[in-house]
Amino acid sequence: NAGVTQTPKFQVLKTGQSMTLQCAQDMNHNSMYWYRQDPGMGLRLIYYSASEGTTDKGEVPNGYNVSRLNKREFSLRLESAAPSQTSVYFCASSDLGLTQHFGDGTRLSIL
Amino acid sequence: GENVEQHPSTLSVQEGDSAVIKCTYSDSASNYFPWYKQELGKGPQLIIDIRSNVGEKKDQRIAVTLNKTAKHFSLHITETQPEDSAVYFCAATPQELSGGGADGLTFGKGTHLIIQP
Repeated sequence: NAGVTQTPKFQVLKTGQSMTLQCAQDMNHNSMYWYRQDPGMGLRLIYYSASEGTTDKGEVPNGYNVSRLNKREFSLRLESAAPSQTSVYFCASSDLGLTQHFGDGTRLSIL
Repeated sequence: GENVEQHPSTLSVQEGDSAVIKCTYSDSASNYFPWYKQELGKGPQLIIDIRSNVGEKKDQRIAVTLNKTAKHFSLHITETQPEDSAVYFCAATPQELSGGGADGLTFGKGTHLIIQP
């Protein structure tokens, strides 16, 4: 049982480049989330999708877009990467009222 | 929005002793309080959670207490072992249990727990 799978695990970008972080879950969960984790800051919510076909902004959405492709997949896109977006990105999923399950993260460096 | 404060940022205890991590929250509508453990290079993993209709919950060496009036909750680990060394995060959310959407979690900034042999 894979749970929440994130790809890639590591990525280095140059300022201004674009990329999409992929996330897929195999637990048939309705809700999916993207967080970023910075040293000393804990995890902060970027965007979430309460159910297939809906997305909402979290605490730090600027510079990001998301797509809920289907019930399994929720992608995060950086259109024009900036050094301030260097971070570890975590995807999570949950069913209504239940625990959020996290992937192992994508470590993104922007030069 | 919700604000979660977590203390201490670093906690060092002798193996076998107890460890306590404390969190406070600001939004009285929050009703779900999970605790996550994060090991190096891994994503956070849930270790215990509590809902606002319960004051205390235990699972073997781990317990969580909740004081809704004071808006604080705590994680207690007894008989600590080397494998307890990790970063621990508390979180809070006004989680809906039926219908509607499911909001994201608001996390504390984490506690680095070090178990000294």
